[in-house]
Amino acid sequence: GQNIDQPTEMTATEGAIVQINCTYQTSGFNGLFWYQQHAGEAPTFLSYNVLDGLEEKGRFSSFLSRSKGYSYLLLKELQMKDSASYLCAVKNEDYKLSFGAGTTVTVRA
Amino acid sequence: SQTIHQWPATLVQPVGSPLSLECTVEGTSNPNLYWYRQAAGRGLQLLFYSVGIGQISSEVPQNLSASRPQDRQFILSSKKLLLSDSGFYLCAWSSGGSLAFGSGTRLTVV
Repeated sequence: GQNIDQPTEMTATEGAIVQINCTYQTSGFNGLFWYQQHAGEAPTFLSYNVLDGLEEKGRFSSFLSRSKGYSYLLLKELQMKDSASYLCAVKNEDYKLSFGAGTTVTVRA
Repeated sequence: SQTIHQWPATLVQPVGSPLSLECTVEGTSNPNLYWYRQAAGRGLQLLFYSVGIGQISSEVPQNLSASRPQDRQFILSSKKLLLSDSGFYLCAWSSGGSLAFGSGTRLTVV
């Protein structure tokens, strides 16, 4: 079965940095994804990790450690528009994507 | 470029009524197609996925069904809706990489 854990909520100040952790236990592993979902909207793709290490994309970075079953999403220079839910998802041996419950990030002025 | 269309955007249906949600993909061929449901404050739950015409895999036993009559068309159906079927339904496609989602249908069963 799949087990993907991430914190429910996080709050940070505009301009700050926030790190969202995700731990997973899945049957097989074929990559880890991060999605952003604004309230009432569909998720949009942020990042993909299949090998250990850090992937950087502008203000957003994602890290993966396959041996630890651990990933994090790092959001730098937070902006008000970054207030959203962030979903961690793992592609398993059947190439299906299983999602965590999401972390709601609130950015305050 | 690839686009995914999903409709309607919102739907209010009485308990016991039928349901049909349609999703179509443009700009790609033989995509993997998915139906997810997101209940209020909860994560995305995979309902069905399809790797080709007529090929449907069900992830969760329930009163919903899915069909893929054409390569780029995926339909979610129910003969009789339950209150617990309320939620945000998302169609998605992939060609081996990440998932791209449609805009979603918010279903309220009353």
